[in-house]
Amino acid sequence: GENVEQHPSTLSVQEGDSAVIKCTYSDSASNYFPWYKQELGKGPQLIIDIRSNVGEKKDQRIAVTLNKTAKHFSLHITETQPEDSAVYFCAARVGAGGTSYGKLTFGQGTILTVHP
Amino acid sequence: DTEVTQTPKHLVMGMTNKKSLKCEQHMGHRAMYWYKQKAKKPPELMFVYSYEKLSINESVPSRFSPECPNSSLLNLHLHALQPEDSALYLCASRPTLGTREYEQYFGPGTRLTVT
Repeated sequence: GENVEQHPSTLSVQEGDSAVIKCTYSDSASNYFPWYKQELGKGPQLIIDIRSNVGEKKDQRIAVTLNKTAKHFSLHITETQPEDSAVYFCAARVGAGGTSYGKLTFGQGTILTVHP
Repeated sequence: DTEVTQTPKHLVMGMTNKKSLKCEQHMGHRAMYWYKQKAKKPPELMFVYSYEKLSINESVPSRFSPECPNSSLLNLHLHALQPEDSALYLCASRPTLGTREYEQYFGPGTRLTVT
């Protein structure tokens, strides 16, 4: 089945700096890559996603890039703020033909801390 | 509106109790999910319902029994749980049609403690 690796496991930045989180996936049939933000005591919140026919997507301070050849995708947060502090999960959804069709496989998570 | 609601927020139960978790969404999503999440870990898929029919059971023990009574509601019935079942139980839903077909939205979860 699909395997998603996420790095780093913890990331500490100063307010205003950029933060980058990287994920790699194993199943070339994966076609959808969402990113979730989970604050303490809450459920995961979908913050941005990208499909396999797109290389980059941006939404205000966050962006996601996808390299299908290398099977990796990244989350970029610019001008970080203390309220960006949370656990971030990447995920991959396997498309038709994959052994885990339709399921989301999550990375292990990154704890992001933004210091004021 | 991308709201999935879950009740109760917290639940403490003994190993001999029977309890139920409830999930509701009114977005017209026809795929609904139960996940289990342990502290500092990603969500683990338990069950998937598609058009009110169980389509995926990830080899979950029979002490967890899902039910989808209609297109807006999803229940998880709990019986004879073990302390290691203590976790955050998350419900999620997604549309099955349209350009946002893959987007999965999570509820806030039920924090379950088994004593």
